[in-house]
Amino acid sequence: SQTIHQWPATLVQPVGSPLSLECTVEGTSNPNLYWYRQAAGRGLQLLFYSVGIGQISSEVPQNLSASRPQDRQFILSSKKLLLSDSGFYLCAWSWEPYNEQFFGPGTRLTVL
Amino acid sequence: SQQGEEDPQALSIQEGENATMNCSYKTSINNLQWYRQNSGRGLVHLILIRSNEREKHSGRLRVTLDTSKKSSSLLITASRAADTASYFCATDAHTGNQFYFGTGTSLTVIP
Repeated sequence: SQTIHQWPATLVQPVGSPLSLECTVEGTSNPNLYWYRQAAGRGLQLLFYSVGIGQISSEVPQNLSASRPQDRQFILSSKKLLLSDSGFYLCAWSWEPYNEQFFGPGTRLTVL
Repeated sequence: SQQGEEDPQALSIQEGENATMNCSYKTSINNLQWYRQNSGRGLVHLILIRSNEREKHSGRLRVTLDTSKKSSSLLITASRAADTASYFCATDAHTGNQFYFGTGTSLTVIP
């Protein structure tokens, strides 16, 4: 069976510090991978998606970046965090576009 | 943008009643999906309805899709306290690999 992992579960970082959130998928190959951000009490905002190693598409211009160094690994990064980067970050995967997405447990990021 | 909009934003009902949530979107889609999110958790897929389908059932869930009105509804019958969660619709972009989620409906089922 397939599983998706995200870590850390919670993170408190000062403004201006770097960020690295990791997401890994087990039990499948060549998944489509997605990063979303959810502000408190709000819907999900698609940040990045990837259809293969090294292939990243950005939906929203911001100080975040994403990388996919391995088939089942998706990393969300920032060189300098802003207060507005606080939120709940969710990683998801799907077998094919337009199909069901499977979500990880999320990382709650607080920037102080 | 394609992002869907759910209506109402919040819904509170008694256990045993039916809950209906609506979703509207803006452009053509391949399919529409509904997800559920318990507080502070990841999303869980509930049901997918394709653009050529009008109605779909899964257990106590019934989803309808009206592509002419660019809208969908999710009906939860005989609600339970455990149905308390936020519900989101998600639409694809017709071209591309991305999904767009709505702002969600927060459902509270009172025991």
